Amino acid sequence: SQQGEEDPQALSIQEGENATMNCSYKTSINNLQWYRQNSGRGLVHLILIRSNEREKHSGRLRVTLDTSKKSSSLLITASRAADTASYFCATDPPVRDDKIIFGKGTRLHILP
Amino acid sequence: NAGVTQTPKFRVLKTGQSMTLLCAQDMNHEYMYWYRQDPGMGLRLIHYSVGEGTTAKGEVPDGYNVSRLKKQNFLLGLESAAPSQTSVYFCASSYKQTPYEQYFGPGTRLTVT
Repeated sequence: SQQGEEDPQALSIQEGENATMNCSYKTSINNLQWYRQNSGRGLVHLILIRSNEREKHSGRLRVTLDTSKKSSSLLITASRAADTASYFCATDPPVRDDKIIFGKGTRLHILP
Repeated sequence: NAGVTQTPKFRVLKTGQSMTLLCAQDMNHEYMYWYRQDPGMGLRLIHYSVGEGTTAKGEVPDGYNVSRLKKQNFLLGLESAAPSQTSVYFCASSYKQTPYEQYFGPGTRLTVT
């Protein structure tokens, strides 16, 4: 069962531009996390935002959460070639059964 | 500190063969997970463990078995491989359940012919 859905599925931007990707989910959550996956590698945790938070920053990353719209966005500012990767949101469902559910991801390609 | 390691990295099986994937973590994490990743499907949870000696089913457990005899190891077994099990398998671990982040291994690419 897919809880989070990222949008767009794929995104290409020029190096230096900002990249925004969105995650929508169906049910209430406790937390939402964003992960990055470089090609052929495992996922790496980027940032976690709790349901009572609206915005969080980490370096060039900015995450927002709108629980009324059941959506989150990940903004990467001043993109670099190394940001080329897939980005996944992960939500914990309302029943605390020790699992998080990953979306299908957004493939981001930074053009030189 | 190696983090999460997986062996093997690649494997080709014939239909009906069996194999075991090994995941090891050196971070003293309680929770461990096995996911499979297929194109366009994201990550789907196969089985997970909340501590040594425990296992639980995830979203897609059929055709797989797991064991967690030691805290640092989590084994995923395929008793009779099927072409539908061709996938990339990822192991992950976390200190406890969410909101603790999950640490992922590099993956095992399995092809069943």
